[in-house]
Amino acid sequence: VQLLQSGGGMVQPGGSLRLSCEASGFSFSNFAMSWVRQAPGKSLEWVAAITGSAGTTYYLDSVKGRFNISRDNSKNTLYLQVASLRAEDTGTYYCVRWNQKFENWGQGSLITVSP
Amino acid sequence: EIVLTQSPGTVSVSPGERAILSCRASQSVDLSHVAWFQQKPGQAPRLLIYATSTRAAGTPDRISGSGSGTDFTLTISRLEPEDFAVYYCQHYGGSPYTFGQGTKLDIK
Repeated sequence: VQLLQSGGGMVQPGGSLRLSCEASGFSFSNFAMSWVRQAPGKSLEWVAAITGSAGTTYYLDSVKGRFNISRDNSKNTLYLQVASLRAEDTGTYYCVRWNQKFENWGQGSLITVSP
Repeated sequence: EIVLTQSPGTVSVSPGERAILSCRASQSVDLSHVAWFQQKPGQAPRLLIYATSTRAAGTPDRISGSGSGTDFTLTISRLEPEDFAVYYCQHYGGSPYTFGQGTKLDIK
C-alpha cells in the first residue's frame, strides 16, 4: 500500500488549494479514505472522510462549507479542496486509508496560511 | 464528540524498562474503536494497536494495549531506542474521529 501526496504550499488567508493523494497497492474504490491534519507541534485532528463509492462524505464541523473531499476512482486519487483558509488551518495534512481503522498514512502535505 | 485525555504529557523511561501510557475517554466507548499510533519527528503517524488490543502488522509483541469503558492503556515493555516517540490514542467509532493530545516518551 502506498499513498503519495502532492499539493500544499503557502497561501494567504482566504485563499484556496487542492491536495491530492495517489493510491497504489490496493483496490482503491473498495476503501473509504480520510484526511487528518496536524498543526505545528500539536496533536492530530480528523478533517474529512469519504466512502469508497464517493456516495457519502463527512466533515469536521469547523471545515464544513470550506473544505471538499472527493475522489476519482478511475485515477486512484483522493482530493481535498480547501478554501476560505484561515491561520488555524495551517498544518500538515495526511491522507489515510480506512480499513476498519486508520491503517495506512500518506507522507503529509504542508499548508501554511500566512499574509 | 468523544474527548480523549492522555497522561502523562511526557514520560521519561530508561531503555530496557517498561512504559505505561494512559488514555481516558469522556464517555464509555466500544472496545472495537480504540487505537494507538506512534509518531516520530518528521514522519507520519504509524498504527500500532487497533480494537484496543490488536497489534497492527509489524507491531512487536512487547507493545500491548488494554482497557475498557473509559480507560485505556498502551504498555511498551523492554524499551528499545526506536520506541522513543510521541504516542496518540484515537477513538474511531464514528465521526468526528478524535485523538488524544499525545504522550511524549523520552529517554531517561
